[in-house]
Amino acid sequence: GIQVEQSPPDLILQEGANSTLRCNFSDSVNNLQWFHQNPWGQLINLFYIPSGTKQNGRLSATTVATERYSLLYISSSQTTDSGVYFCAVLGPQGGSEKLVFGKGTKLTVNP
Amino acid sequence: DVKVTQSSRYLVKRTGEKVFLECVQDMDHENMFWYRQDPGLGLRLIYFSYDVKMKEKGDIPEGYSVSREKKERFSLILESASTNQTSMYLCASSLFAEINEQFFGPGTRLTVL
Repeated sequence: GIQVEQSPPDLILQEGANSTLRCNFSDSVNNLQWFHQNPWGQLINLFYIPSGTKQNGRLSATTVATERYSLLYISSSQTTDSGVYFCAVLGPQGGSEKLVFGKGTKLTVNP
Repeated sequence: DVKVTQSSRYLVKRTGEKVFLECVQDMDHENMFWYRQDPGLGLRLIYFSYDVKMKEKGDIPEGYSVSREKKERFSLILESASTNQTSMYLCASSLFAEINEQFFGPGTRLTVL
């Protein structure tokens, strides 16, 4: 099955710093999503981005499907950005709806 | 905005009890999913449903069953809870196959004693 790798596994920043999180996947994908898991465990949708570039405030994401990777950029980080960021992909599995998740990047933003 | 709700945020049950976890979505989504999340193992798909009364096994269906009698509601059932089912349970929904962005509920943290 499709493999998803995220890097780095852990990231510690000072408030105001910028960061880039990476997601590599092993096969072509029909769907790629970025999530932020908050301290209470809820997965918050950040981007639905199977290809191209999107921006939402201080966050932006780029997926280069032909090269099988996606990047999540966080600018001017805030303490509320802390949490775990997951990349998840849906491969061409003939109708299966299974999202395959990476192991996540744990981000800590210190004041 | 899509809203997915789960019946409980925290639940404590005893070994052998029958446990029901309820999930409701308010956006007329066709697909619904149940995942569990465990440290070191990530998110794993238990069951999903692409229509009322339809269900498909995910990666780890053993010990679980599901029910989808209405489009907006998807229930996860632990027939006889065991301690290894202590976990965070997350429900999700998506519109349909061609637009398959998944939206998650707040999660239920289940402890089985």
